[in-house]
Amino acid sequence: DAGVTQSPTHLIKTRGQQVTLRCSPKSGHDTVSWYQQALGQGPQFIFQYYEEEERQRGNFPDRFSGHQFPNYSSELNVNALLLGDSALYLCASSPTAPDRHYYTEAFFGQGTRLTVV
Amino acid sequence: SQELEQSPQSLIVQEGKNLTINCTSSKTLYGLYWYKQKYGEGLIFLMMLQKGGEEKSHEKITAKLDEKKQQSSLHITASQPSHAGIYLCGAPQAGTALIFGKGTTLSVSS
Repeated sequence: DAGVTQSPTHLIKTRGQQVTLRCSPKSGHDTVSWYQQALGQGPQFIFQYYEEEERQRGNFPDRFSGHQFPNYSSELNVNALLLGDSALYLCASSPTAPDRHYYTEAFFGQGTRLTVV
Repeated sequence: SQELEQSPQSLIVQEGKNLTINCTSSKTLYGLYWYKQKYGEGLIFLMMLQKGGEEKSHEKITAKLDEKKQQSSLHITASQPSHAGIYLCGAPQAGTALIFGKGTTLSVSS
């Protein structure tokens, strides 16, 4: 089992550009969440996808958007990049929770280091 | 909104010594996740606590959830250099959407 895989591992973009990050969940997991981690901080929740729809969203602008495919893999898109978007972007996958009060294990990928110059 | 505060922010311990990291929530904890992170890398799942008073152990790491105190503690027995890293606690908001503390950086000197 490859676990959660993310690509690319590193990326350098220029301000104003757009970027797409990719995530393949752990086998058997159908829920994918994305997080942004700035240097020296804990990860910040961006959004979560389940059944190809955005189920929850954190406090991030509309420049951050996502998609989930039928095979449960997911993409994170960021438009009009700002210097402040430079961070480690983490993807986490988990199996379906029966309801919002049931918590399941969440496994993270190795992350994509995005640098905006 | 809920906030998690971790203490200490960093610590250095001698190999073989025990240590404890705390995670305190501003609101009631309905569950708590512990992760370990090597600098610049992904998060490694350690354990998940779901009930007040629950205690789990994995190898030399034990975590407890004190619901009344809105706190969780992570205890490492007989620390080793392999325990070095950043320890993060995360609390579920709904399902597995987590909020995290800022982390505790552990260094183990041999």
